[in-house]
Amino acid sequence: GNSVTQMEGPVTLSEEAFLTINCTYTATGYPSLFWYVQYPGEGLQLLLKATKADDKGSNKGFEATYRKETTSFHLEKGSVQVSDSAVYFCALSPAGGTSYGKLTFGQGTILTVHP
Amino acid sequence: KAGVTQTPRYLIKTRGQQVTLSCSPISGHRSVSWYQQTPGQGLQFLFEYFSETQRNKGNFPGRFSGRQFSNSRSEMNVSTLELGDSALYLCASSVGAGGYNEQFFGPGTRLTVL
Repeated sequence: GNSVTQMEGPVTLSEEAFLTINCTYTATGYPSLFWYVQYPGEGLQLLLKATKADDKGSNKGFEATYRKETTSFHLEKGSVQVSDSAVYFCALSPAGGTSYGKLTFGQGTILTVHP
Repeated sequence: KAGVTQTPRYLIKTRGQQVTLSCSPISGHRSVSWYQQTPGQGLQFLFEYFSETQRNKGNFPGRFSGRQFSNSRSEMNVSTLELGDSALYLCASSVGAGGYNEQFFGPGTRLTVL
């Protein structure tokens, strides 16, 4: 079946540090890949997405590239801010078949950024 | 455009009771999915509805059920509540059925079972 594996957390950084959160996946075909962010007490917000190999998703300074050869979708940001402190989830959606509407999530990575 | 809304936001029930949660998708979205989020199991898919039809179901017992109305609003019901059902229940909507359609999440309903 489909699965998503994220790097173990939590991750603690100082403001303006470089961020990488690793994400690898297992799926057949070409799934769509997503990064979601969850702030305390809130639901999930879509951060960025990529729907085919070599696509780069980007938003609010965050980037992730869909690497089919390494089945990865690592999240990066060049300079984090305190306001980026949240839980980050990598997710995939199968390209077709009968898995309609089902996102498979990684376990989440807690990011804390200190001033 | 208004986002996904869920009601109620918080709910406290006792074991054995049943509960109904409601979700209103973004206008024009026809697909609604439900997820359960717990610290131990993370985010798990419950079911998905599209045009009033359940098209996909996760690995949850039959106590968990749902439905979708003609206006795309959806409800989920949990009967005979157990302590382990305490969780954040998230609803998400998307335009259609394709995997490339991103899902937009509501704020969730926090269910506590005592």
